[in-house]
Formats: sequence, structure tokens, C-alpha cells
Amino acid sequence: GAGVSQTPSNKVTEKGKYVELRCDPISGHTALYWYRQSLGQGPEFLIYFQGTGAADDSGLPNDRFFAVRPEGSVSTLKIQRTERGDSAVYLCASSLGWAGGNTEAFFGQGTRLTVV
Amino acid sequence: SQKIEQNSEALNIQEGKTATLTCNYTNYSPAYLQWYRQDPGRGPVFLLLIRENEKEKRKERLKVTFDTTLKQSLFHITASQPADSATYLCALASGNTPLVFGKGTRLSVIA
Repeated sequence: GAGVSQTPSNKVTEKGKYVELRCDPISGHTALYWYRQSLGQGPEFLIYFQGTGAADDSGLPNDRFFAVRPEGSVSTLKIQRTERGDSAVYLCASSLGWAGGNTEAFFGQGTRLTVV
Repeated sequence: SQKIEQNSEALNIQEGKTATLTCNYTNYSPAYLQWYRQDPGRGPVFLLLIRENEKEKRKERLKVTFDTTLKQSLFHITASQPADSATYLCALASGNTPLVFGKGTRLSVIA
């Protein structure tokens, strides 16, 4: 596709349930990032993949959060035992190289997660 | 701890004027600084990147400065238009850490 695609756009789930959020990066982009954005805040880093491996997962808030990228393209962010505090917009981004440096990041439109 | 501050949550200016947004940081030595635009319900969109050894970068009506002594970046939009109304995010990177974003400044350009 032309840009980063995230599905679903919106997800409402009950507290305690498990959710999966999907990200399709731009074709050929080896780097993939997950961020979380709460209302009125900037994006908060969660995890970064280079290829299939998680190069930096220091932003994951706790062990309920997990992300995979098995074939180096599509990534899934998984949240177990969801809590109301997990409600936020989850943003995915991809880049040709490492966006912590000389490269721009391309973001998807986000998945708005609401835990009720 | 590392901190990024964008001068105000909201900034209102008249159409045609120059908008100036500020990004200050502490306890950080970024090698790169990026500015993004975010519209409601959308993901951030990259605008400009400036390196620590560059003082200024321009792109059309946009200008970014980077002062590593003051630990500050200024983002200017000249001849502002209502279509420039959006939230603007400053993001820092040290080269071996992921992009760290500020809270953003919501700009409203009034016709």
C-alpha cells in the first residue's frame, strides 16, 4: 500500500479482555515502531523492530503488552487483561532506516482503543 | 530525567502572520531534531529534520532552528494560512534511542 495501515481503526473492549492491533508498514521499510498517544499528549514510545527482532522494547509498560513481527513486515501489538488505563490511540510507524537518526518516520492513522 | 517542553499547548495567530513554536529540552543531547504535524484523528506527518551541527533548515514556508547551547529549537511558519492549523510535535533522537516526542502545540490560524 501507499502508506502505513493500521487495523482496526477503533476497538472497544471490556476490561480484562485480550486485544490485538495490527500494523502493515510501507513495503520495504525494515524499521517498525509502536507508540501510544493519550489525549493532549505526544506519542509515547513502546517498542521498535528492526526486521523481525525487537531491537528495543524498553517502552512497554508491563508484561501485559507484547508485540511480534514474525516475517519482518506486518506487526501485531497484543495486550492481555486490558485495563481502563490502556485506553489510548496506538500508533504504528515505519521507516527505511533507524528513525532515531537521519530518517523520517511514516505513521499510520492509529487504532483508538477504548477499554470499558 | 529527559524532558521536552513545547512552549504552549495552544497558539492563536492571525492569517498572514508568522507563527513561532518553541521546543526546549533538558537532560538530553540529541543528534537530530524532527518536527511533525498532526491533524485530529490522524497520525503525525514528518515536516523537517535538523542535525545538531546545523543551525537552520528551510522548506517552503517552514523554517527550523536548532541551538544546542540553549537546548532549543524554534519552528516558524511564515505567511500562515488557516490550513496550517494543526498540532505540531517536536521529536528528539540521540542516534541510538527512539524518537522522543513533546506534547505538541496546537496552532490555530484565524482568517
